[in-house]
Amino acid sequence: DQQVKQNSPSLSVQEGRISILNCDYTNSMFDYFLWYKKYPAEGPTFLISISSIKDKNEDGRFTVFLNKSAKHLSLHIVPSQPGDSAVYFCAASLNTDKLIFGTGTRLQVFP
Amino acid sequence: GAVVSQHPSWVICKSGTSVKIECRSLDFQATTMFWYRQFPKQSLMLMATSNEGSKATYEQGVEKDKFLINHASLTLSTLTVTSAHPEDSSFYICSAHRTSGTTDTQYFGPGTRLTVL
Repeated sequence: DQQVKQNSPSLSVQEGRISILNCDYTNSMFDYFLWYKKYPAEGPTFLISISSIKDKNEDGRFTVFLNKSAKHLSLHIVPSQPGDSAVYFCAASLNTDKLIFGTGTRLQVFP
Repeated sequence: GAVVSQHPSWVICKSGTSVKIECRSLDFQATTMFWYRQFPKQSLMLMATSNEGSKATYEQGVEKDKFLINHASLTLSTLTVTSAHPEDSSFYICSAHRTSGTTDTQYFGPGTRLTVL
């Protein structure tokens, strides 16, 4: 049972444009959500997080939106840069430190 | 930012041998560390939660006798894959939980690629 889902396995965006990565979850009790970026053969790098009591969090080019009623969150990257090309994982936690990850979306930013 | 290291970064071993992977938080103390496994083109799967000074908590389906976890100090956790077999070949990643003020974040190690021949 996949509690956190990223239905788009890949996304291709032109440099300078906005990248939107989506994530859906099934457990309404999740209280914290995070986005990680991962390059091949490396560990994930934390990008941005959001508490379930908020609906938006912004950090530089990265903004995370949370829609609790839809059990949906998204990561916006604007403007997209070639260095943003990586696999992006969303993750959720429930009262504990344990993270449940989505399956990832491979983002490719082309010139 | 916080740094978590893993050693070795890659290892090749023969079937039946045991392999130990170390995870260290370099600039903060972590009472809780986590071990993940990633299969090709799949998500990160949590294997176990490592707590300093106590037994690890394993996720359902993970053999605790095969994947031995020891959290010997606030900066070191080890994962030992015992009697490794080719199906254990994978990318193993650890993370360390850090609390800073009101913020909780997990920092991940760079991962260890295990290949069992």
